[in-house]
Formats: sequence, C-alpha cells, structure tokens
Amino acid sequence: DSGVTQTPKHLITATGQRVTLRCSPRSGDLSVYWYQQSLDQGLQFLIQYYNGEERAKGNILERFSAQQFPDLHSELNLSSLELGDSALYFCASSPRIPAGAQEQFFGPGTRLTVL
Amino acid sequence: EDQVTQSPEALRLQEGESSSLNCSYTVSGLRGLFWYRQDPGKGPEFLFTLYSAGEEKEKERLKATLTKKESFLHITAPKPEDSATYLCAVFLPGYALNFGKGTSLLVTP
Repeated sequence: DSGVTQTPKHLITATGQRVTLRCSPRSGDLSVYWYQQSLDQGLQFLIQYYNGEERAKGNILERFSAQQFPDLHSELNLSSLELGDSALYFCASSPRIPAGAQEQFFGPGTRLTVL
Repeated sequence: EDQVTQSPEALRLQEGESSSLNCSYTVSGLRGLFWYRQDPGKGPEFLFTLYSAGEEKEKERLKATLTKKESFLHITAPKPEDSATYLCAVFLPGYALNFGKGTSLLVTP
C-alpha cells in the first residue's frame, strides 16, 4: 500500500458525459501527478500540482482539467468523453520539494470505461 | 521521439533462471532514472532510483545498474511471484516521469 488513495476504482459512463476522479496523496506529500495508462500508449503524464498550483503539464487534452485543493487532495475532471478516453488513470504523489528527480508513489488507479 | 526504450517487450523465464531487462534512454543531463514494478490492474510500485553512471542498487533478487546510455534490471534466481511488468522512467524537468512501455516478465515454476 503506497498510501495514495483514489476513488472510484471503476467508472463506466457514456460518450459525451463528464466524470470526476479523486486522489488523496500520501500524508505529507505536497506534489500530485496524474497519469493515463492505455494499452497502446503506455503510461503518459498528464499534469502536476504542487501545494495547490499547477507546476507541469504533459499530454493533457483540453477536455481534461485538474485542481488541487487546500487539503491537498486532487481531482481530475474529464468532459465530453470519447471512447478513446477509456483507460486506467493513476494519481501519484511525491514529497515536499516541488521540482527535481524524486520517486513518485502511485495510487491503485481508476479504471474508466466509456461506452 | 522516444526517450525511453525497454527491451525485450516480453520475457519468459523458468524459476531460477537469471536474466536482465534493458532500458535505453536518450535524454541529456539525466536527472534520475526510475524502475517500477506493475501487477495487472494495479498501480506501479516503486523499486529503485538511480542518479549517476556506475550507480547500483539492490533489493532482494533485483539489482539495478546505470550507464550513460542505459540501465539494466538484473533478476537473480527469479520466482513466480516476480512475474509482473517492469517499467523504466526518466525524469524530465518541467515535465515529470517519462515511462518506457515496459517489459512483461513471466516466471514459470
């Protein structure tokens, strides 16, 4: 158990809908990262927040957005869902330093299925 | 441009048969190379961080090494419970972790 929690574990929805994925980082970690994992693309970085502020952006679509709240939990919002958005979405957290190479600890993921 | 390439894509070993997984990277000024283990349907589990060429780290049957162009994950006398996908990633400043596609390892009794 990494100490990172994600809800829900599974989500099934229809095309065009909007969903929210939630993540709580490890106790004491200020950085939160979101990744998407699909069979053909592998694990792809989406976005990073540090202490409530956006720090880095990866391959995140404009239909996707995220935020980190004062209690440090984070939410990833996916809208106008398409079939291709079906994937595993992981949240990871790392300690206080906002930049630099440090290990990230991953949550169990949310499996999103868009029908 | 692929910055992290892992080989082989899949590897099947018999229990006790040692082998190595390869991770080649093309980033300049490496800030950190990471190894993770991922079981099906679960989140990646952190194994090692390597920062400079020549560095080695060990954990049970696993040993990770780093050169200027690649990293190896050596598995000594593997057991069936070592079966998993092993992921390699490099840290990119202003980005995060850039992962390879992984090596799927199956260890049979």
